[in-house]
Amino acid sequence: AQSVAQPEDQVNVAEGNPLTVKCTYSVSGNPYLFWYVQYPNRGLQFLLKYITGDNLVKGSYGFEAEFNKSQTSFHLKKPSALVSDSALYFCAVKETGRRALTFGSGTRLQVQP
Amino acid sequence: NAGVTQTPKFQVLKTGQSMTLQCAQDMNHEYMSWYRQDPGMGLRLIHYSVGAGITDQGEVPNGYNVSRSTTEDFPLRLLSAAPSQTSVYFCASSYSSGVKSDTQYFGPGTRLTVL
Repeated sequence: AQSVAQPEDQVNVAEGNPLTVKCTYSVSGNPYLFWYVQYPNRGLQFLLKYITGDNLVKGSYGFEAEFNKSQTSFHLKKPSALVSDSALYFCAVKETGRRALTFGSGTRLQVQP
Repeated sequence: NAGVTQTPKFQVLKTGQSMTLQCAQDMNHEYMSWYRQDPGMGLRLIHYSVGAGITDQGEVPNGYNVSRSTTEDFPLRLLSAAPSQTSVYFCASSYSSGVKSDTQYFGPGTRLTVL
């Protein structure tokens, strides 16, 4: 079975500082990994995904994520946080050959001015 | 393109009532799905469809029905609403093959309260 864990309910960071939102996963085969962002009262928006290839994936709004197979992690990062990055972030995983995504419980990112 | 649209945005039901949540997409996506979002639990898959006439159960299908008569529409029916179905419901769609597959596009959500 596929599963994903986001160990932090909330991450607080000062504007201009680097941010990291953590995600670990468990799958039987090769993983497809995703990050989505949800702003208040909105649906989820796609940020980036890892399918294969380079372990560092770049996505929207300056975000990037690093796939680490040995640690089964896919942490979301940004070099310099903005107040407008404050939102709810979801990591998701899908095993090769499966249709459905499994989402983590979400991490609320709060960027202070 | 309007993307993925959902109606209504808000709904209050009494226990035992039935209703249909509407979802439509204009991107010609083969794959469509319904999730519910509850605090601290992320999104859980209710039902999904890989094309017109084909549906399957997800993680939490009990109490919900779906059908897919067209590529564009994927309604979710609550047969007899219960307070445990109070949640925010999201519809999503994606291509089912090719380089653009797997990236799901989400609707704005329907906030449902069952009294």
